[in-house]
Amino acid sequence: KQEVTQIPAALSVPEGENLVLNCSFTDSAIYNLQWFRQDPGKGLTSLLLIQSSQREQTSGRLNASLDKSSGRSTLYIAASQPGDSATYLCALQGGIAGKSTFGDGTTLTVKP
Amino acid sequence: KAGVTQTPRYLIKTRGQQVTLSCSPISGHRSVSWYQQTPGQGLQFLFEYFSETQRNKGNFPGRFSGRQFSNSRSEMNVSTLELGDSALYLCASSRQGDGGTQYFGPGTRLLVL
Repeated sequence: KQEVTQIPAALSVPEGENLVLNCSFTDSAIYNLQWFRQDPGKGLTSLLLIQSSQREQTSGRLNASLDKSSGRSTLYIAASQPGDSATYLCALQGGIAGKSTFGDGTTLTVKP
Repeated sequence: KAGVTQTPRYLIKTRGQQVTLSCSPISGHRSVSWYQQTPGQGLQFLFEYFSETQRNKGNFPGRFSGRQFSNSRSEMNVSTLELGDSALYLCASSRQGDGGTQYFGPGTRLLVL
């Protein structure tokens, strides 16, 4: 059974700082790993998707990496802004079609 | 291209009632998955439909059911509502459901009194 852990649960940083969010998982037999952003009371916005055969993906100030051998993924946010404040969730698809297993998320606060 | 839409956005029901939620996937997507999000349990998989067939189901009681229509729109039904069913219900669509990007709707927030 896939288990996904995100550490830390909450993170507060000053504006402009670079930061890393962590996601670890127990089963490396995955199709892909996806990072999402969720604003309070809202749905999920897909940020990056890394296929099983890939090691990283980049979009603007975001960079996500995947290391299946160690069961880890990181989301790097460069030059953080107050608008980046949200909960960030990682999710893995694997084995069961249409099912993503989610971590509990990291709530990020970027202070002006 | 229009995103995933869910209706209604908010619902208030009382214990014992039933409720039906609707999800319209992105055009061309045939897989629709449903999730329940609560503060205590996080995001949990309910079930997934592909081409009108339920392919996978999570660990939820039989009170939770769903269906998918020929146009890929999906509905989820919860019967005999309990207080613990209060949650944000999210649906996600993808082309095939087996490894592609999942796109989520805004969710339906259900409050059971």
